Amino acid sequence: EAGVAQSPRYKIIEKRQSVAFWCNPISGHATLYWYQQILGQGPKLLIQFQNNGVVDDSQLPKDRFSAERLKGVDSTLKIQPAKLEDSAVYLCASSLVQRITDTQYFGPGTRLTVL
Amino acid sequence: GQNIDQPTEMTATEGAIVQINCTYQTSGFNGLFWYQQHAGEAPTFLSYNVLDGLEEKGRFSSFLSRSKGYSYLLLKELQMKDSASYLCAVRDNYGQNFVFGPGTRLSVLP
Repeated sequence: EAGVAQSPRYKIIEKRQSVAFWCNPISGHATLYWYQQILGQGPKLLIQFQNNGVVDDSQLPKDRFSAERLKGVDSTLKIQPAKLEDSAVYLCASSLVQRITDTQYFGPGTRLTVL
Repeated sequence: GQNIDQPTEMTATEGAIVQINCTYQTSGFNGLFWYQQHAGEAPTFLSYNVLDGLEEKGRFSSFLSRSKGYSYLLLKELQMKDSASYLCAVRDNYGQNFVFGPGTRLSVLP
């Protein structure tokens, strides 16, 4: 089965510019996560969707970050405007349903560099 | 609060055994996951523990003690390809969130 797809793989922008990332989860996976992983650290959850509803966005910097999951499938994460500290890898993950035993499957990530 | 600790780096020799520890303090507990992440790649699932004890899966085993807030990942017969970061993650808040540790970067030397 196809894995989690993300694009672009790499993005370089200047501070104060805008950027958007796209994620297509594994077919049939109801739960979708966006993580931010700064170099040398573990992933930090930004937002979690169950179908097209938001389950948790408590760590999303809402003044500059936004995310949506229309029709409960693909998702986009946007940063507007970007800051230097947003340089990180943005990982998308999905899982089948929100059961205790369900693991997540990660996409390859988008490496963002803000200059 | 949420806190997960792991050693930052470890080094071991090919063919040896290494144990990577993880301690956690989280609001609620619904399982502990271990992931492997090669440099520049996405994390991949290794193991899951929800009850106390040892789970064995080939060369990899994972142990959990809920009363101590402690887990370890045991890698046997180390191979060069095992050089990677190993992430400990706890599912808390009744299954709502995954909280990741900082990861342990393991270097396997010949």
